[in-house]
Amino acid sequence: DVVLTQTPPTLSATIGQSVSISCRSSQSLLHSNGNTYLNWLLQRPGQPPQLLIYLVSRLESGVPNRFSGSGSGTDFTLKISGVEAEDLGVYYCVQSTHAPYTFGAGTKLELK
Amino acid sequence: QVQLKESGPGLVQPSQTLSLTCTVSGLSLTSNSVSWIRQPPGKGLEWMGVIWSNGGTDYNSAIKSRLSISRDTSKSQVFLKMNSLQTEDTAMYFCARWRLDYWGQGVMVTVSS
Repeated sequence: DVVLTQTPPTLSATIGQSVSISCRSSQSLLHSNGNTYLNWLLQRPGQPPQLLIYLVSRLESGVPNRFSGSGSGTDFTLKISGVEAEDLGVYYCVQSTHAPYTFGAGTKLELK
Repeated sequence: QVQLKESGPGLVQPSQTLSLTCTVSGLSLTSNSVSWIRQPPGKGLEWMGVIWSNGGTDYNSAIKSRLSISRDTSKSQVFLKMNSLQTEDTAMYFCARWRLDYWGQGVMVTVSS
């Protein structure tokens, strides 16, 4: 199974600060069809996860553009340009290139 | 408006079978795939399996021998059955469209005698 390693496990930030989360895969997530199925989700306390980014860098409809994704192959990054209070929660990367689909362990974003 | 809603028993005894239903509205199961994902208390997410729009299925190999996902397209429902439950199967169980853009609120399942 593909292992996704997220770092850091915890991130402390002030409002307005820019932060990045890394997601490294144990194997390339480039599908034979040319797509890379790496998504980013945010789970706020007591809520189901919410899709932020799909196909590495595409912003899901309704998601603020302070969120951005980048990367290729095995290395991916989620960046938040100016953290807001509503961004607090746990961020997960998830791959659906290879079955079984797998999630990273999560990065908890909290206020400093 | 797309909605998914999980339902099922909150408490299951060890060694018994879990049966959950995901009722979908606002989208057709014949053109959309649905996944089941679970989350033990205080822990991360685990993908369990998917039923594709063509009715085919794929399962997490770790639980494949215990798991079955099926559907009734006329009722817009997707079903999960997992047997031989143990305490480590205690979790919040979610259904979601395969893109993970639409999720249900989840149903908490506790395995305990």
